[in-house]
Amino acid sequence: KAGVTQTPRYLIKTRGQQVTLSCSPISGHRSVSWYQQTPGQGLQFLFEYFSETQRNKGNFPGRFSGRQFSNSRSEMNVSTLELGDSALYLCASSLAQGLHTEAFFGQGTRLTVV
Amino acid sequence: QKEVEQNSGPLSVPEGAIASLNCTYSDRGSQSFFWYRQYSGKSPELIMFIYSNGDKEDGRFTAQLNKASQYVSLLIRDSQPSDSATYLCAVNRGYGGSQGNLIFGKGTKLSVKP
Repeated sequence: KAGVTQTPRYLIKTRGQQVTLSCSPISGHRSVSWYQQTPGQGLQFLFEYFSETQRNKGNFPGRFSGRQFSNSRSEMNVSTLELGDSALYLCASSLAQGLHTEAFFGQGTRLTVV
Repeated sequence: QKEVEQNSGPLSVPEGAIASLNCTYSDRGSQSFFWYRQYSGKSPELIMFIYSNGDKEDGRFTAQLNKASQYVSLLIRDSQPSDSATYLCAVNRGYGGSQGNLIFGKGTKLSVKP
């Protein structure tokens, strides 16, 4: 069974640009969550999508947005990039049924803003 | 008070010893608890999850949960150098219709010395 696939693996962008990251969940998983990981803040929740609807959102500015498609694939967009957006962006998929909320992470996208 | 707290370490144990990793959480309504292992430069890998009070064993790993004390721990028996990694504790509050929202601690760095 294929795992969670994130593309691209690495990105270098300039301040002010925008970026789109992609995540394909494990087959059958309908929940996709996005996290930002930095050395200082650790892993922080960005948002969760379930059946194409944003179900929960973390404490990030509106420059961070996402969407989910009917095949459960998800994209995350960051507009007007800032240097502080440099981080490892991780996507996790989950069955999200009852208490079975185990989340499995993709390899991440390493974003560097210069 | 941080929602999920872990001792950052580093925790150093000799090969073959038991490594004990601890985590406390603040939200008494939290429902499910996870331990992830993250090697340097890699994404988090789920190693254990626990929902009920008590112990749960899987090979060399034992997760312990005490909801009254809001405490979860991970024991690694017969520690190996390959266990050297950062261990992340994560909590899912499991309410509000969101099951994909994990709150992570900052992680404990474990070093197993040959």
